[in-house]
Order: sequence, then structure tokens, then C-alpha cells
Amino acid sequence: QVQLHESGPGLVKPSETLSLTCTVSGGSISSSYWSWIRQPPGKGLEWIGFIHYSGSASYNPSLKSRVTISEDTSKNQFSLKVNSVTAADTAMYYCARVGGGLAFDYWGQGTLVTVSS
Amino acid sequence: QSALTQAPSASGSPGQSVTISCTGTSSDVGGYNYVSWYQQHPGKAPKLMIYEVSKRPSGVPDRFSGSKSDNTASLTVSGLQAEDEADYYCSSYAGSNNYVFGTGTKVTVL
Repeated sequence: QVQLHESGPGLVKPSETLSLTCTVSGGSISSSYWSWIRQPPGKGLEWIGFIHYSGSASYNPSLKSRVTISEDTSKNQFSLKVNSVTAADTAMYYCARVGGGLAFDYWGQGTLVTVSS
Repeated sequence: QSALTQAPSASGSPGQSVTISCTGTSSDVGGYNYVSWYQQHPGKAPKLMIYEVSKRPSGVPDRFSGSKSDNTASLTVSGLQAEDEADYYCSSYAGSNNYVFGTGTKVTVL
């Protein structure tokens, strides 16, 4: 059973960089695609981007200029960085696997990131 | 890319059926058979319920079914049960390695 677990600071100051890591267990990230998705409090889901173990990544056009997703196959982890954050980046951040049918079949429990001074 | 459009709420009595719609464009829902549906209970991570328009992952009850016509996908929950009360989100592949989610529908079991 694949399990994902997000980790990182829960509080980030405006204009700084948000950094999160997703650790995968029960499976190798050297297969499939791995994604980040976020959900502002009380709002809907927003796809941020994904990465393939080969290192190729794709991002939501609305976030592309500020987002970087990378992977560390030696640690079975992938990471998210969002630059120049504002209060609008306050959200629950989820990591997920892209499985068959291009659906998000395994999700982490999520980690809440608040942007505030 | 714009979010897919879903009605904010839907409801039904136990045992009844409820259908949730998800409207996109020919660039996402209408262009690919890669529509998926997610159930999210309060404070929990989303759970995959339907993928590739109408396929159910192992363990998802057959009360959940999906379909698509042109630019609109639908999720039907038959034989509503109390535990089906949750938020439901659709998602579609949107080409060029992009994805888009729906605005979400809150299903209430009366």
C-alpha cells in the first residue's frame, strides 16, 4: 500500500519561499508521476504541478512562474517550492500519486501552511 | 485554465439517488476520457471514487457511477447513505500535461 506524508514549516512569512517535502513509502517514486495539490481554507482543490522520476515537471500555468517541483529518488521523496508567497498561498497542501487513468489515486493527509508575518 | 463548474450543493434522502454535474470545455472534459471524481469528508484528504470517466477503484461501492456527455461529466450516487455526505470534486486532464479541478459540490443526506 502506497503511503505519502507531507512535511515542512506550517508558517511562512510573506515574500519568502514555501518549502514542503513528500515522503513516499510502500512504493518507489521511480515510477509514475507525483503531484502537489492545494486547498485554501473553505475552498476547492487546485492542481499545482507534477514531476516524473526522470525529472521532467509540469506546472499549473497560473503558478508556473513561482513554483518548482523536484525529486530525490535516493530518499524516495519529492519536494515543492513556492517563491514570493502571499496570504493567497495559505492552504492545505497535499501530495498525491498520479495513477492509472491519470487520476490521483493515493494522497497524503495534507499539511497546513499559513502565510503570515 | 478555468476551474470546472459544479453546483455548490446537492441533496437527497437515504436510499435515493443524487447526480452531480461537472461542466468544462472541449479542451478538458470534452477532449479526454480522463475525468475523475473525489470524495472529501471534513478534515480529511480527498479519496478517489471514479477514474477514466466511469471506472471504480477497488473498494469503492458500485453505488457510485460516472458518465460523460460532450463537455459535461456526471457522478451518480445511488442508494444514498449517511456516510456519503461529503464534498465531491471532479478533475480532468486538460492537455499539455495540465490538470483542472471542479469547484466542488457539497452533498447532504437529508
